[in-house]
Amino acid sequence: NAGVTQTPKFQVLKTGQSMTLQCAQDMNHNSMYWYRQDPGMGLRLIYYSASEGTTDKGEVPNGYNVSRLNKREFSLRLESAAPSQTSVYFCASSEIRWTGNTIYFGEGSWLTVV
Amino acid sequence: GENVEQHPSTLSVQEGDSAVIKCTYSDSASNYFPWYKQELGKRPQLIIDIRSNVGEKKDQRIAVTLNKTAKHFSLHITETQPEDSAVYFCAASLSGGSNYKLTFGKGTLLTVNP
Repeated sequence: NAGVTQTPKFQVLKTGQSMTLQCAQDMNHNSMYWYRQDPGMGLRLIYYSASEGTTDKGEVPNGYNVSRLNKREFSLRLESAAPSQTSVYFCASSEIRWTGNTIYFGEGSWLTVV
Repeated sequence: GENVEQHPSTLSVQEGDSAVIKCTYSDSASNYFPWYKQELGKRPQLIIDIRSNVGEKKDQRIAVTLNKTAKHFSLHITETQPEDSAVYFCAASLSGGSNYKLTFGKGTLLTVNP
């Protein structure tokens, strides 16, 4: 049981290049998320997927696209990377429960755009 | 949407002292309030959570209190130890239903000095 697995862990991109961050969870969760973390800004939601087949914008979606490939996998794509997208990206998943929606995070992907 | 304010942004205490981190939220409908701990270079992990039908919850050295009238909640760590040093995030959401996304505060860097 690996939980939430994301790849790659580290990546350096040149401005204008594209790349896809991959994420998979093995907890049979319906909901998946992509967050970015920047110093002093906390965790900001980029996109989320409430369930397989649906995706919605979060707080900072500009410059990103997502694909919910199946229940397990949720990818984040940068079509034309910009230095402002240098950040740590966390994929996460949760199950929606009335008792609370505990989010489980992946280990993070450190992305540098030069 | 929900807005979560967290204070202080940094907190330094001596080992054995108590630490208190406070958060306020804006959406009176929010009913689920988790706290996450993030060690340097690691993923955020849930340490304690509370629902709105409870005023206080304890788990060993950590406790969370909630004041729904004032829309604020706090994390209390007693007998702090060096391993408590980390960034702590509060969050708020409406659990269950369609509006379940967690909104995070910007985090508090806690340093416990030996």
